[in-house]
Order: sequence, then structure tokens, then C-alpha cells
Amino acid sequence: EDQVTQSPEALRLQEGESSSLNCSYTVSGLRGLFWYRQDPGKGPEFLFTLYSAGEEKEKERLKATLTKKESFLHITAPKPEDSATYLCAVPSGGYNKLIFGAGTRLAVHP
Amino acid sequence: GAGVSQSPSNKVTEKGKDVELRCDPISGHTALYWYRQSLGQGLEFLIYFQGNSAPDKSGLPSDRFSAERTGGSVSTLTIQRTQQEDSAVYLCASSSSRRGSWTDTQYFGPGTRLTVL
Repeated sequence: EDQVTQSPEALRLQEGESSSLNCSYTVSGLRGLFWYRQDPGKGPEFLFTLYSAGEEKEKERLKATLTKKESFLHITAPKPEDSATYLCAVPSGGYNKLIFGAGTRLAVHP
Repeated sequence: GAGVSQSPSNKVTEKGKDVELRCDPISGHTALYWYRQSLGQGLEFLIYFQGNSAPDKSGLPSDRFSAERTGGSVSTLTIQRTQQEDSAVYLCASSSSRRGSWTDTQYFGPGTRLTVL
């Protein structure tokens, strides 16, 4: 059964304190790994798609990387506006329904 | 351009009533998904539509849930005889993917928060 596990569940950082979020996955035939950001009361906002091991993508203070078993979302010198829940997902089945992890709640304090 | 829109943004109903939730996908997107986000459950898949093909209903939790998509665009999710455990945020997503495609991103709407009293 396809599965996604994210850690930690919650992370508190001081502004400027870099860290990484982990997404471990078990899927038969990876067809992409998606990172989303979700703010309270809003729908998930797309961040990145990674397709193959070794691939990296960057956007502002965020960098996503992928191996054959997991993905990392690295946050460099975070700011309070980076506070959100970060969700990881993989497509499953012939119709590409997404299997989501439970998310990591990130709080960045000034 | 316009993103995925959903209405209403909030819905409070009494146990046993029927509710309808609406989703307008991004123009030109052929694939439409419904997900549910509950406290402690995370995001779970409900139903998938691709163009005019028969939908994948494998994620619907009970026969009280149904959905339709008219004209390959707007979709309505209907919950009959609502129960308190149906309280959740219902999210709609659309993509330009066709069956088997692995490259297309799903873009989400803001969701409908359903509260069943």
C-alpha cells in the first residue's frame, strides 16, 4: 500500500535558523512527489514537483530534494511568513489521486 | 488566471440534512478531484473525474456521498443525511492530466468548511 510519512509533526524555529523537513514514501513506481504549503483556513498551495532521485528544486528560501526513499524540504534563513503547514504527497493509482502525509506544522518566530 | 473556486466557503447544517458543495475548476483542466481534510485524519481522496469518463468513486466513505460533473467542468459533491463525522474541510483540485500522466500538478481550491451540528 502506498504511504507517505512526514517528520517532524511540528517544528519551531527562530527567524534565520535553517532546518529541514522530511517526507518518507513507499510507492510502487514513483510518478512524482509534490510539496504543498497550507496556511490556516486555505487550500494547499503548490510548491514543487520532483520526478527522479537526485533532482533538486529551489524557490526563495526553500529547496526540495529527492532520493529513492525520501524527500527533504530545506528552509534556509526562514522568516515568520514561512510559518505554515507543509504537505508532501505522491500520486497513486492510475488516476493519480494524491496520497498525503500528515504534514509538518512550521512556526518561525522573530 | 483564475484558480479553482469553491462555494460556499462555510456551511453549517443540522444532522440529517442534505448539503451540496460546488467546485469550479481551472478553465481547460480535464481532471477534477475531491478530497476531505479532517482533524487528525489529514487529506484523503474522495472521487476523481476525467473529462466525460466514468468517475473513480473508490474514496467515497459511504453511499450518502455522491458527486457529479456537468459538461466536463463544474462539479457538485452531495452529502445526504449528514452526520457529525462528516464535519471537515472539503477540498477540490483540478489538473490538466490525462489517465496515466505523471507530470501534471493538482491545484487546489480554498475549500468548504462543513460543520454538522
